Amino acid sequence: NAGVTQTPKFQVLKTGQSMTLQCAQDMNHNSMYWYRQDPGMGLRLIYYSASEGTTDKGEVPNGYNVSRLNKREFSLRLESAAPSQTSVYFCASRGIYEQYFGPGTRLTVT
Amino acid sequence: GENVEQHPSTLSVQEGDSAVIKCTYSDSASNYFPWYKQELGKRPQLIIDIRSNVGEKKDQRIAVTLNKTAKHFSLHITETQPEDSAVYFCAASLNDYKLSFGAGTTVTVRA
Repeated sequence: NAGVTQTPKFQVLKTGQSMTLQCAQDMNHNSMYWYRQDPGMGLRLIYYSASEGTTDKGEVPNGYNVSRLNKREFSLRLESAAPSQTSVYFCASRGIYEQYFGPGTRLTVT
Repeated sequence: GENVEQHPSTLSVQEGDSAVIKCTYSDSASNYFPWYKQELGKRPQLIIDIRSNVGEKKDQRIAVTLNKTAKHFSLHITETQPEDSAVYFCAASLNDYKLSFGAGTTVTVRA
């Protein structure tokens, strides 16, 4: 039981490049989330998926898109990366109440 | 949307002393209040949570209290140990789907 997994662990992009962050969970959870974490700002919700087939914007969705590929997988795409998107990105899935987080992806945009 | 404020941003305590972190929330309809601990370079992990029909909950050395009237909740850590050094986040949820997090408190336990 791996829980929530994310790939890649680290990534460096140039401004304007695109990339997709992958997330998968093996706990049969319906809800999945993408957060970004910046120093002094806590965790901010980018997008979430309450169930397979649905996605909704969170607090900071601009510059991102998501895909709920199936019940297990929820990906986050940056179409044209900007330095302001330098951050640590966490994926999470929700059980009954608790959200379980993945190990994170550290993204740097130069 | 929900707005969660957390204080203090940093907290240094002597080993064995208590630590208290306070959070306030804006939406009186919020009904779920978890606390997460994040060690350096690691993922956040739930340490305790409370629902709005309960005023206090305790789990060994940690406890959370909730005051719905004042819209604030607090984390209490007693008999602090070096392994309690971490960043702690409070959060509030209106509908169980979305969590709004506080900015975090960096706790340092001095030996």
